[in-house]
Amino acid sequence: DQQVKQNSPSLSVQEGRISILNCDYTNSMFDYFLWYKKYPAEGPTFLISISSIKDKNEDGRFTVFLNKSAKHLSLHIVPSQPGDSAVYFCAASDTGANSKLTFGKGITLSVRP
Amino acid sequence: EAGVAQSPRYKIIEKRQSVAFWCNPISGHATLYWYQQILGQGPKLLIQFQNNGVVDDSQLPKDRFSAERLKGVDSTLKIQPAKLEDSAVYLCASSYLAGGVTGELFFGEGSRLTVL
Repeated sequence: DQQVKQNSPSLSVQEGRISILNCDYTNSMFDYFLWYKKYPAEGPTFLISISSIKDKNEDGRFTVFLNKSAKHLSLHIVPSQPGDSAVYFCAASDTGANSKLTFGKGITLSVRP
Repeated sequence: EAGVAQSPRYKIIEKRQSVAFWCNPISGHATLYWYQQILGQGPKLLIQFQNNGVVDDSQLPKDRFSAERLKGVDSTLKIQPAKLEDSAVYLCASSYLAGGVTGELFFGEGSRLTVL
C-alpha cells in the first residue's frame, strides 16, 4: 500500500517557467512533509519541508503548498532553471517518537534551456 | 563538515553470495537509517538506529539481511545470501534529532548492488 503517491513520473518545462510537482498521501497521521532532490549517482538532498500547521512554506525559488483536507501537497519552482533537472521525492512522516520517513516514487523534472 | 560516507560505491555479486555495506554518519548524529532504493521507486526504510539501539526494523528481511551499529557510530548492512531482487541502491542517512523525524535526513551517495 503506497502511502505517498507521486502519480506523474516525469515533467518537462521550459527554462524560466514554473514547475509544479504534485504529491498525494493517504495516511492521516502524517503531519510533516519534505521534498528531496536527487541527481544521478548522488544521494537525495533535502530541499524544503512543511509542517501540517502551515499551508505554505517558501524558500527562495521553491514553495511548498499543503492542502490537508485533500491530503495533497505541491512543490512550485519559479523560475525553473536547467540545474533544477533532477528527480524530486516527496516524503512524509508523523512526529511520534519512532517516526520514519515514507517516500514517494519520485518525479523526474527536465528543464529545457 | 564531512557528509555521510558509504562504501563500496558499487558491488556486483552472484546470487547466493554475501555482501556487506559500510556507513559512517555525520559526527554527532544520533540517528542512522538504511534505505533500499530499487530502480524506479522511492527509498524504502530497512532499519533505523537510535545511537546503537534498533528503533524500527519492521521492513528488514531478517532471514537474509542484518545490520549493526557498534558504539553508536559506524554501521554495517549485510545481505546473506543475496537474491536477484536485492539489486538496488542502498542508502545510508543520518539525522541529528534524537527521536522523531521533524528535521532533515542527510544521505550518503549510496552503494549500488547488482546481483547476477
